[in-house]
Amino acid sequence: EVVLTQSPATLSLSPGERATLSCRASHSLANNLVWYQHKPGQAPRLLIYDASNRAPGIPARFSASGSGTDFTLTISSLEPEDSAVYYCQQRSATFGPGTTVDVK
Amino acid sequence: EVRLLESGGGLVYPGGSLRLSCAASGFSLNTYAMSWVRQAPGRGLEWVSAIRASGANTFYADSVKGRFTISRDISKNALFLQMNDLRAEDSALYYCVQEGGNYTWGQGTLVTVSS
Repeated sequence: EVVLTQSPATLSLSPGERATLSCRASHSLANNLVWYQHKPGQAPRLLIYDASNRAPGIPARFSASGSGTDFTLTISSLEPEDSAVYYCQQRSATFGPGTTVDVK
Repeated sequence: EVRLLESGGGLVYPGGSLRLSCAASGFSLNTYAMSWVRQAPGRGLEWVSAIRASGANTFYADSVKGRFTISRDISKNALFLQMNDLRAEDSALYYCVQEGGNYTWGQGTLVTVSS
C-alpha cells in the first residue's frame, strides 16, 4: 500500500503570498495523483488531476507539478478564500494527511 | 449534471451492519471508477474502497478489508457499501466519489457506531 506524506502540516501566510505544498509517495505513482481542497461543511473540491492538470473552473493561481514520488501544489498569490485543508490522493486510493493553509 | 446522493447511514451498535447506497445521475457507473471515502470527526479524509469502471476489480483499505464490500447495480445506476462488524472507529461521514470526469462527490451520509 502506498503511503503519502504531506508537508508542511500547517501553513500560515498572508494574502498575496505564495504557498508551496509538498506530497511524497512511498512508491512511484507515475502521474496518478490528484489534489483536493476541503473546507468545513463542504464536500472536497477537485483542484488538480493527473498530477498537473487544473480541473475546470479552478483559478489559474493554482498549479501543480511532479511525477513518480514527488509532487507539489503551488498557490501563486493567496486569497483569503484559499484557507482550507489540501489533500493529495493516489487516484482511487490513499489520501495524504493534509496540509492546513490559513490565510490571514 | 452529475450528481451523487448517499443514503443509508445511521446509528448502529458495535458489531452491527449497515448498507450504504449512492444514487448516481448524469452519468453511467460503468464509465468511471467509483470510491467510498470517509471522514471521522476531527480527522482527515480516508479512502475506504473502490470499484473499477468495468466492475471487474474491487479494492479496500486495510482497515476495512474483510468487513466491507463494495458493489454496484448498473440497472439502477447505484453504488453500495455493505458494512459488517462495525466498530466505533468506523464512525464517520461517508462519501461516494466519481473517480474521473469531474471527480464529483456526494454530500455524504453519517454513520455512528456506538452502544
